[in-house]
Amino acid sequence: AQSVTQLDSHVSVSEGTPVLLRCNYSSSYSPSLFWYVQHPNKGLQLLLKYTSAATLVKGINGFEAEFKKSETSFHLTKPSAHMSDAAEYFCVVNEKLTFGTGTRLTIIP
Amino acid sequence: EAQVTQNPRYLITVTGKKLTVTCSQNMNHEYMSWYRQDPGLGLRQIYYSMNVEVTDKGDVPEGYKVSRKEKRNFPLILESPSPNQTSLYFCASSLLALGTYEQYFGPGTRLTVT
Repeated sequence: AQSVTQLDSHVSVSEGTPVLLRCNYSSSYSPSLFWYVQHPNKGLQLLLKYTSAATLVKGINGFEAEFKKSETSFHLTKPSAHMSDAAEYFCVVNEKLTFGTGTRLTIIP
Repeated sequence: EAQVTQNPRYLITVTGKKLTVTCSQNMNHEYMSWYRQDPGLGLRQIYYSMNVEVTDKGDVPEGYKVSRKEKRNFPLILESPSPNQTSLYFCASSLLALGTYEQYFGPGTRLTVT
């Protein structure tokens, strides 16, 4: 069985400071992992995905995520937050596309 | 432009009145699915379709029906809507059902059942 846990339902950071959104997964085999972003009143857009190639994955808008098998984690990071990053972020695992419950990112001016 | 479209975008209806939410994609994708999004629960899959005439239940199928008569269309049918089906619904498609393929999402349909 697969599952994904997003450890924070809400994260607030100041503009220009680093962003860390945490995701842990469980999967009985080597997973594919995704991060999607949902801006207010919009659909979901793919940020990045891990598919067993490089463990450090770069995505759009300066985001990246590192797959750590030993920690069963796939945390999303960005060195410097921008106001336009305010959105809800979802970590997703594998073929059944099991979604985490989401992390709402707020950027403080 | 490659896209997934849904209609209507907003719908208010009453308990028991049958409704259909349409979904169409122009990317020749084989895999299509429906999700509902509720606060604190993330997105949960309702039904999915691997190809024409092939559909299967997701995690929360009760009260919903789907059909896939053409590759591009995947309508969601609520035969007798109830208030607990008030939610934000997303249709999505991907090239294949394999987990490595990106899903493309429609803009969402906000449904209110009174």
